[in-house]
Amino acid sequence: QKEVEQDPGPLSVPEGAIVSLNCTYSNSAFQYFMWYRQYSRKGPELLMYTYSSGNKEDGRFTAQVDKSSKYISLFIRDSQPSDSATYLCAMSGLPGANSKLTFGKGITLSVRP
Amino acid sequence: EAGVAQSPRYKIIEKRQSVAFWCNPISGHATLYWYQQILGQGPKLLIQFQNNGVVDDSQLPKDRFSAERLKGVDSTLKIQPAKLEDSAVYLCASSLRPVGGELFFGEGSRLTVL
Repeated sequence: QKEVEQDPGPLSVPEGAIVSLNCTYSNSAFQYFMWYRQYSRKGPELLMYTYSSGNKEDGRFTAQVDKSSKYISLFIRDSQPSDSATYLCAMSGLPGANSKLTFGKGITLSVRP
Repeated sequence: EAGVAQSPRYKIIEKRQSVAFWCNPISGHATLYWYQQILGQGPKLLIQFQNNGVVDDSQLPKDRFSAERLKGVDSTLKIQPAKLEDSAVYLCASSLRPVGGELFFGEGSRLTVL
């Protein structure tokens, strides 16, 4: 079992749809949870950052972390064509053996006008 | 503020040849990372530097890959000899702190090995 599993894609939705992206993980030491967005032929950029459990909202984006289920989600409301990109979940633990940032495979989202 | 700079953006080589990639991190970022991203996969950490010391190189294929960060600023990643499976995008990233901080990525160096 991989440390971080991400729902396979690709995903295509119409403009205005609500998008749900999910990752599961196996390492209970993970404490930092992030979502990176990667446009084609660009490097990843941080979209959302959560420490430990809970929800975080930023505009049209909401990140949720459920440590009891080892499950994280990213919701995009009112999706726009500019949201078309690959979304990578990433997570790490506290300083020590689990501090390396581990990425999921990524899911490619396409928002149709 | 200038971002992470990488060069070259694209490189095509034959197998068994050598290649080097260069990275200049954001000014003041003590932590520098090299990631390998194979098509359709997430980035995989190759090596992490804190200043000019290596923090983690557990996934670096040391028989063919080497990296250095002289003077704790810019860094070079070298592959010698290259194999077909080294075809990937090599991403450099930097951060202010070594754990739990935001990583700022460069645009990557795309390597094709023929």
